[in-house]
Amino acid sequence: AQSVAQPEDQVNVAEGNPLTVKCTYSVSGNPYLFWYVQYPNRGLQFLLKYITGDNLVKGSYGFEAEFNKSQTSFHLIKPSALVSDSALYFCAVRLLFSGAGSYQLTFGKGTKLSVIP
Amino acid sequence: KAGVTQTPRYLIKTRGQQVTLSCSPISGHRSVSWYQQTPGQGLQFLFEYFSETQRNKGNFPGRFSGRQFSNSRSEMNVSTLELGDSALYLCASSPGGASKPSGNTIYFGEGSWLTVV
Repeated sequence: AQSVAQPEDQVNVAEGNPLTVKCTYSVSGNPYLFWYVQYPNRGLQFLLKYITGDNLVKGSYGFEAEFNKSQTSFHLIKPSALVSDSALYFCAVRLLFSGAGSYQLTFGKGTKLSVIP
Repeated sequence: KAGVTQTPRYLIKTRGQQVTLSCSPISGHRSVSWYQQTPGQGLQFLFEYFSETQRNKGNFPGRFSGRQFSNSRSEMNVSTLELGDSALYLCASSPGGASKPSGNTIYFGEGSWLTVV
């Protein structure tokens, strides 16, 4: 079974400091990994994805993510946090099926990021 | 280019009633998926449609159903509503079409907030 874990329910960081939101995964084969952000009462916004290639992926709003195959991790990072980054962040892995393609995502539980002014 | 559009955004229903939610994917996208988001269970996959065919289904009771039209618009229906069906229902769209999983991004709408009383 494929799964995603976000070990921290909440992360607090001071504005201007670097932030990391952790994600680990368990999949068979090569993973397709995604990060999404959700602001209050809104849907999910795509931040970035890892499909193949460079282990450091650049995304929207200054976010990056580091893929580490040996540690099966895909942590979200940002060098300098903004108050406006405060939101709920979800890591997801795309399930892979033999045969027909599928766009089903399995999500982590989410991490609430609070950036303190 | 318009994003994923979901209607209605908010609705209140009574136990035992049924509800239909609508989703218009991004123009040109042929895969539409539905997810349920609740505080307790997080984001859970309901089903995915591609070219008017259900391609994948999550672990939900038969009260939850969906369909996709020839223009790729999709509807989901929940019959005999229960209090536990109160949730944010999210629609996601992606180009789809690959016989094998590809690295396409999956985009989400703003969701439909369903409250069952």
